[in-house]
Amino acid sequence: KQEVTQIPAALSVPEGENLVLNCSFTDSAIYNLQWFRQDPGKGLTSLLLIQSSQREQTSGRLNASLDKSSGRSTLYIAASQPGDSATYLCAVKQGDDMRFGAGTRLTVKP
Amino acid sequence: KAGVTQTPRYLIKTRGQQVTLSCSPISGHRSVSWYQQTPGQGLQFLFEYFSETQRNKGNFPGRFSGRQFSNSRSEMNVSTLELGDSALYLCASSPPQGTLSTDTQYFGPGTRLTVL
Repeated sequence: KQEVTQIPAALSVPEGENLVLNCSFTDSAIYNLQWFRQDPGKGLTSLLLIQSSQREQTSGRLNASLDKSSGRSTLYIAASQPGDSATYLCAVKQGDDMRFGAGTRLTVKP
Repeated sequence: KAGVTQTPRYLIKTRGQQVTLSCSPISGHRSVSWYQQTPGQGLQFLFEYFSETQRNKGNFPGRFSGRQFSNSRSEMNVSTLELGDSALYLCASSPPQGTLSTDTQYFGPGTRLTVL
């Protein structure tokens, strides 16, 4: 059974800092991995999707990497802003199953 | 294009009652998935519908059911509500096969269900 873990559970950084969020999964036979952002009480917004054949994806200040062999993905956020404060979740798709991590709650202080 | 919409946004029910939640996907999307999100269990997959047929189902009891209509709108129903059913229920739709973003899911704002 695929298990997805996100560390740390919470992170607080000052504005302008670069940061890395981590996601690990136990079964490397995945179809894709997706990073989402969730604001309090709201739905999820897809940030980046990495197919199993890809190593990384970039969008603006965000860069996500994937290392299937080690079962890890990272989300790099450059020059963080208070508006980046949210919970970030990773999800792995394996067959028809999609499993989410518990998320990392990020707070960016002005 | 309008995003995924869910109604109602908030709902309060008592134990033993039943509830129906509605989801309207993005126009042109035929796949709709439902998720339950709780502080303790996180985000868990309930089921997926495609072209009015349930394509996948998560590990939830039979009290949880759903359906999809010909216009791709979907409903989920929970019967005999329990306190533990209190959660944020999220719906997501996916673009049709053959489009570049077919693997991306677009989520609605969710329905917050409180069971008293």
